[in-house]
Amino acid sequence: RKEVEQDPGPFNVPEGATVAFNCTYSNSASQSFFWYRQDCRKEPKLLMSVYSSGNEDGRFTAQLNRASQYISLLIRDSKLSDSATYLCVGGPYGGATNKLIFGTGTLLAVQP
Amino acid sequence: DAMVIQNPRYQVTQFGKPVTLSCSQTLNHNVMYWYQQKSSQAPKLLFHYYDKDFNNEADTPDNFQSRRPNTSFCFLDIRSPGLGDAAMYLCATSRGTGTNEKLFFGSGTQLSVL
Repeated sequence: RKEVEQDPGPFNVPEGATVAFNCTYSNSASQSFFWYRQDCRKEPKLLMSVYSSGNEDGRFTAQLNRASQYISLLIRDSKLSDSATYLCVGGPYGGATNKLIFGTGTLLAVQP
Repeated sequence: DAMVIQNPRYQVTQFGKPVTLSCSQTLNHNVMYWYQQKSSQAPKLLFHYYDKDFNNEADTPDNFQSRRPNTSFCFLDIRSPGLGDAAMYLCATSRGTGTNEKLFFGSGTQLSVL
């Protein structure tokens, strides 16, 4: 089983829709989590960190469920510009950045 | 302004011909990383430098080497590229290696091996 696993998609949604992605992690010791956004043939960019209590940044909400070992990303009111691959990233407790594990990403395509 | 700069954006090399990819940063970060990302796969860490200290990942092939002559620059050398080394190579930096440190990526170099 992969340490960080994501549904590759694609998720095809109309503009204005709400879409949610889940990401599961296998290492129960994982403590730090992030969502990165990656456009086609471009570099990953940090979208948001994921905090234990959940956090929101505009239209984006991240949640962590330790009992079930997954994190989620919710995007409300999808825009065409949200079309990208969303990478889930996890790291161990007290772990260093070189221990971060990237998922393979979930592709989102927002349709007009 | 770009803070982590990779050159070139696209690189074509021949099978077995050594190639060097470069990365520079204006952030004065202590840590620089090289990731390999193949199509539809996750970025995979090859190695990183903390200042001058080189840290190789256990499964990084010997074919891949790196140099960091100063804080700003870091190079990835592929001694004998094979067809399987065709990928996007991403350079990243961070201030430190703590749990909540953010990674700043360059725009990547897409390597093709003919």
